[in-house]
Amino acid sequence: DIQMTQSPSTLSASVGDRVTITCRASQSIGSWLAWYQQKPGKAPKLLVYKASSLESGVPSRFSGSGSGTEFTLTITSLQPDDFATYYCQQYNTYLTFGGGTRVEIK
Amino acid sequence: QVQLQESGPGLVKPSQTLSLTCTVSGGSISSGDYYWSWIRQHPGKGLEWLGYIYYSGSTYYSPSLKSRLIISRDTSKNQFSLRLSSVTAADTAVYYCGRVRNNVVDYWGQGTLVTVSS
Repeated sequence: DIQMTQSPSTLSASVGDRVTITCRASQSIGSWLAWYQQKPGKAPKLLVYKASSLESGVPSRFSGSGSGTEFTLTITSLQPDDFATYYCQQYNTYLTFGGGTRVEIK
Repeated sequence: QVQLQESGPGLVKPSQTLSLTCTVSGGSISSGDYYWSWIRQHPGKGLEWLGYIYYSGSTYYSPSLKSRLIISRDTSKNQFSLRLSSVTAADTAVYYCGRVRNNVVDYWGQGTLVTVSS
């Protein structure tokens, strides 16, 4: 099984901050990585697929990068609506999600 | 706009079978472009992919649940279903259904909480 490890598990930030979340795979997954945003009580929302492709309708302040085993999700200027939990997901072999990164207000 | 809606019992007794149905509107589960998936989230925890079904009826399951899980579809009702047998408290979770496009979940249901308890 491919394990996905996210860091940090919690991140405190302020509106306007640049935020970076890291996701590491236990083995190479090429670029087969997606990122989701989840707010309390809601279903996740797809943000990025194939490591760096932005899903339609997602603000351009979100960006993804990386390949192989190390990936990042960057939010260039954090907005109030961005306080949420973020998950990475590999799809090189079936689907596996990371443990999540909660972005909270500093 | 594709919409998915989970339905089924919110309470299941230990050792019994958990059954949920996902009703899809705004798109056909018979389309060859997508898989149709179940994902769950234990309370306060991360996401776990359970499995998916293709328009042809082919199914793919998480290795950890393969022995207990069946995903099926009813194309006449545009629904797909999950059956998880021999449940324990560890199966208590919010269960989501979703549409899978190129192995990413682009549409999700709202989720339904299933509690396993006597």
